[in-house]
Amino acid sequence: DAMVIQNPRYQVTQFGKPVTLSCSQTLNHNVMYWYQQKSSQAPKLLFHYYDKDFNNEADTPDNFQSRRPNTSFCFLDIRSPGLGDAAMYLCATSSGGTSGANVLTFGAGSRLTVL
Amino acid sequence: GQNIDQPTEMTATEGAIVQINCTYQTSGFNGLFWYQQHAGEAPTFLSYNVLDGLEEKGRFSSFLSRSKGYSYLLLKELQMKDSASYLCAVRDSNYQLIWGAGTKLIIKP
Repeated sequence: DAMVIQNPRYQVTQFGKPVTLSCSQTLNHNVMYWYQQKSSQAPKLLFHYYDKDFNNEADTPDNFQSRRPNTSFCFLDIRSPGLGDAAMYLCATSSGGTSGANVLTFGAGSRLTVL
Repeated sequence: GQNIDQPTEMTATEGAIVQINCTYQTSGFNGLFWYQQHAGEAPTFLSYNVLDGLEEKGRFSSFLSRSKGYSYLLLKELQMKDSASYLCAVRDSNYQLIWGAGTKLIIKP
């Protein structure tokens, strides 16, 4: 089945210790997104790639970086996690068209705990 | 600023009908989405409305009024597995998705 796969599902790190979360997709979608979601809150877009073009949200902290080495993979790097970065990190993909629904397909998420 | 409003929490009984409302104020409009999110899991797509009216999909229906900035998700014949958060999201004129915080639906036997 075509899907979006995130690893790891659960990540525990220490304050300030770098973390990398990965996302892969078999949908061949042009756009990949990283969202941060805290409990009972709306998903917050951190950044997205349209093909190789990187688009950073204005309020995304510099502590968060991303890489997309090819169409299928995208990584979220948190350089120095703080307690406030504990959250669910959701990867999503879409075809990127401007007509039609252009639905986002989400991965299962990576839950980050910071000790 | 852009804003999506939904009730924080609703409770309904198994077998009943529930309506979850969503009002929005956004810079332009290019479609409204409803997603279901079970606790600790990723959102899954339920429905998409871009024109006014009702879209029906099995037990779930979604309604849109663009002039009122209003949508609702109607869930019929509620089942225990429908206990989840329901997220409303609007795509604005820049094709950015603006998300609501979600409505937590609790189903009681």
